[in-house]
Amino acid sequence: GNSVTQMEGPVTLSEEAFLTINCTYTATGYPSLFWYVQYPGEGLQLLLKATKADDKGSNKGFEATYRKETTSFHLEKGSVQVSDSAVYFCALSDFQGGSEKLVFGKGTKLTVNP
Amino acid sequence: DTEVTQTPKHLVMGMTNKKSLKCEQHMGHRAMYWYKQKAKKPPELMFVYSYEKLSINESVPSRFSPECPNSSLLNLHLHALQPEDSALYLCASSESIAGTQYFGPGTRLTVL
Repeated sequence: GNSVTQMEGPVTLSEEAFLTINCTYTATGYPSLFWYVQYPGEGLQLLLKATKADDKGSNKGFEATYRKETTSFHLEKGSVQVSDSAVYFCALSDFQGGSEKLVFGKGTKLTVNP
Repeated sequence: DTEVTQTPKHLVMGMTNKKSLKCEQHMGHRAMYWYKQKAKKPPELMFVYSYEKLSINESVPSRFSPECPNSSLLNLHLHALQPEDSALYLCASSESIAGTQYFGPGTRLTVL
């Protein structure tokens, strides 16, 4: 079945450092791809998404490009802030049995130090 | 506005109690979801409703009983839970069964 693999972390960076969180996927067909962020004690927030190959999703300085040739959707940010400390989940949409489900990676915890 | 609200924020219950979790959205979304999230894990899908009808039940024990009284509201009725059911329960909604899902803040449930 479809699956998502993301670097497990934890990742610790200093403020203003460059961030990359790797995400690769296995899928039949052409799923949509998502990054969700979960701040401590909160629910998941949609960070960005891409629905087809070569699409770039972007939000709040974060970017990810849907790469079909490498089956990847890596999350990047040029300069992280302390407020970016959170758990980041990569996910894909998986259409099965007449319904669409989200398949999540295991999550990557990011800590940004001042 | 992509807001999904959930009440209560926290819930502590005994194994013999009956309680309910509530989820509400006013975005006109026609698909709603319940997820369970244990600490340091991704969310696990429990139920999916599409146009107020149960579409997916991921083999969830019968002590969890979902209900969708109208297109804006989703409940999860809890009865005779076990301590291992303690988790963050997340609700989500999407325009349709194939749409982008938007999550609520969750209910943190503790079963004593």
